[in-house]
Amino acid sequence: KAGVTQTPRYLIKTRGQQVTLSCSPISGHRSVSWYQQTPGQGLQFLFEYFSETQRNKGNFPGRFSGRQFSNSRSEMNVSTLELGDSALYLCASSLGGGRTYEQYFGPGTRLTVT
Amino acid sequence: GNSVTQMEGPVTLSEEAFLTINCTYTATGYPSLFWYVQYPGEGLQLLLKATKADDKGSNKGFEATYRKETTSFHLEKGSVQVSDSAVYFCGGYDPNAGKSTFGDGTTLTVKP
Repeated sequence: KAGVTQTPRYLIKTRGQQVTLSCSPISGHRSVSWYQQTPGQGLQFLFEYFSETQRNKGNFPGRFSGRQFSNSRSEMNVSTLELGDSALYLCASSLGGGRTYEQYFGPGTRLTVT
Repeated sequence: GNSVTQMEGPVTLSEEAFLTINCTYTATGYPSLFWYVQYPGEGLQLLLKATKADDKGSNKGFEATYRKETTSFHLEKGSVQVSDSAVYFCGGYDPNAGKSTFGDGTTLTVKP
């Protein structure tokens, strides 16, 4: 079974621009979660989508948004980029049900904002 | 709210040494607990899990026991190898909150 894939792997953007990141979950997984990983803040939860609906949201400004398509693929968008948005963005997929909630992570997209 | 606190790093050990990385959690519900490992340039990989009190998760020589009385899930390995060098994250999923929470990660370096 193919793992979680994320594209692109690396991205360099300028402050004020916007960016869209893509995540393809493991086949059969209906839940996709997004995390921001930075050296200073660790792993921060952005949001989770399940069956095309946002099910949970972390404490990030409205510049961060996402969506999920009918095939469970998900995109994350960040508008009006700031220098502090430079981070590794990780996507994780899960079956989405039950209480164990094992997540499988992709390799991440490294975003650098200059 | 929910939180996970894990031992600060970095941790440096010699090969074949004993490893313990402490992790404690605070949750309003009854979380499932996980340890993930992240190798350089990669995403997180699930290392082991436990879903209820006294469960012991184990994988690749690593073990952790879900201790409800101390709200802990410490990671242990009896004899580490150079290939175990990585960042280790403790995490919890609270079904009541519907969210996962992670610790800040502990960097382990094993020297030959």
